[in-house]
Amino acid sequence: EVQLLESGGGLVQTGGSLRLSCAASGFTFTNCAMTWVRQAPGKGLEWVSTIVGSGGTTYYADSVKGRFTISRDNSKTTLNLLMSSLRAEDTALYYCAKGRGEFGATVDVWGRGTTVTVSS
Amino acid sequence: DIQMTQSPSSLSASVGDIVTITCRASQYMSTYVNWYRQKPGKAPELLVYSGSSLQSGVPSRFSGSGSGTEFSLTINSLQPEDFATYYCQQSYTTQFTFGPGTKVDIK
Repeated sequence: EVQLLESGGGLVQTGGSLRLSCAASGFTFTNCAMTWVRQAPGKGLEWVSTIVGSGGTTYYADSVKGRFTISRDNSKTTLNLLMSSLRAEDTALYYCAKGRGEFGATVDVWGRGTTVTVSS
Repeated sequence: DIQMTQSPSSLSASVGDIVTITCRASQYMSTYVNWYRQKPGKAPELLVYSGSSLQSGVPSRFSGSGSGTEFSLTINSLQPEDFATYYCQQSYTTQFTFGPGTKVDIK
């Protein structure tokens, strides 16, 4: 069974940093791109970042470019998101999601999410 | 920037109804549009990818169509579990934008 388990969320001050992780199991991790999607309270889905299976290429939404860094450890089947210079508008539920293939952000399995709250 | 719009933003329907949701892209997308369903309090689920391909395990009452800039998701014979919010997403460019969502509730 494919499982994605996010961790690392919490309360952080404006301007601070936070590192999210996603432990993946049940599939060949290196064969799949991985994506972070967030959802602010009561709002819609927002694509945040995607990393291809090899880890060699990354993509970011304009809203987080230069502040967030996506990475993966294929030996540990773990996905990470390092978030810095956090703003109130980064407050959201952050989902880790598995790609259907090695590239792209079509995602076919989602974790339950981890909540990030940015407050002054 | 690519903009994805959905219409309607919400609709009311009854069990057994046929429901169609439209997604429009601000530029050419070929067939690279996906559809997701999000039930209240749950993570989204992939329904349709690449415009019209049904994801494994998804009931056949769901179908997707369209190409270019206009896409649609049709639900034949709406079921109780289909009262949810539906999102389109483009995967044609590397800004993998979601639409704003369409909420389907019970009439």
